[in-house]
Amino acid sequence: DGGITQSPKYLFRKEGQNVTLSCEQNLNHDAMYWYRQDPGQGLRLIYYSQIVNDFQKGDIAEGYSVSREKKESFPLTVTSAQKNPTAFYLCASLNREEGSYNSPLHFGNGTRLTVT
Amino acid sequence: SQQGEEDPQALSIQEGENATMNCSYKTSINNLQWYRQNSGRGLVHLILIRSNEREKHSGRLRVTLDTSKKSSSLLITASRAADTASYFCATDGENNAGNMLTFGGGTRLMVKP
Repeated sequence: DGGITQSPKYLFRKEGQNVTLSCEQNLNHDAMYWYRQDPGQGLRLIYYSQIVNDFQKGDIAEGYSVSREKKESFPLTVTSAQKNPTAFYLCASLNREEGSYNSPLHFGNGTRLTVT
Repeated sequence: SQQGEEDPQALSIQEGENATMNCSYKTSINNLQWYRQNSGRGLVHLILIRSNEREKHSGRLRVTLDTSKKSSSLLITASRAADTASYFCATDGENNAGNMLTFGGGTRLMVKP
C-alpha cells in the first residue's frame, strides 16, 4: 500500500535538545509539507518542498529546519531555538499537476512531540 | 495566517440528524477542500470543489461553494457515530505559486448514538 509514514508516533525530549521527526512517502509525490497542530487548533505550515534539494519556509519556520535529499524523505528537525515545540506534527505530500493545484494532500498519522 | 475559518467551532448532534459546517475565506481561490481528522490521527481528504463549481456530492456529503461570499458549507446527512471527528476546510490562493493549502481552525463534530 502506498502512503506516508511518520515515526515515531510519540516523542519525548528535554528542553534544549534538537530532535528530528521522520517522514517517508512511497507515493512518488514531488511535493512534501510539514504542518504543526496545537490542541483544538488548525494546521500551520512550517516548511514545504516542491522538488528534491529545494524547500521553502512556511508561516512558522523559525526554530525548525528541513532537508530534502531524496524524493521520498522529508525529515523535520525541531531545534532548541523553537520556543514552544510541544505539538502534533503532520507531514503531507502532494502529486502536483503541472500548472494547477487540483490534487488533495495525503497525510501521515503524525508525531506527537512533548518537550519538558 | 489562516485563510479559512470554520463555523461553528464545535457541534453536537444525535445520530441520524444532519450536520452542517461552514467555512469562510479571505482571498480568491482556485479550489476549496474539506478534510476530516479523527482524534490523534492525520487528516483525510473528503472532497474538493473548484472555484467554478457551486455544489458537489460524495455519498452522504454535500459541499457548496459561494465565491461571491467567499464561503463554503459541508453537509453530512444522516449522521452516524463514526462521523465524530474534526472537519477542516482548506484553500489554495489563486496566485499560489507554492501549491500551499491554508487550513481553518476546524469544526469538532460529535455524533451521539
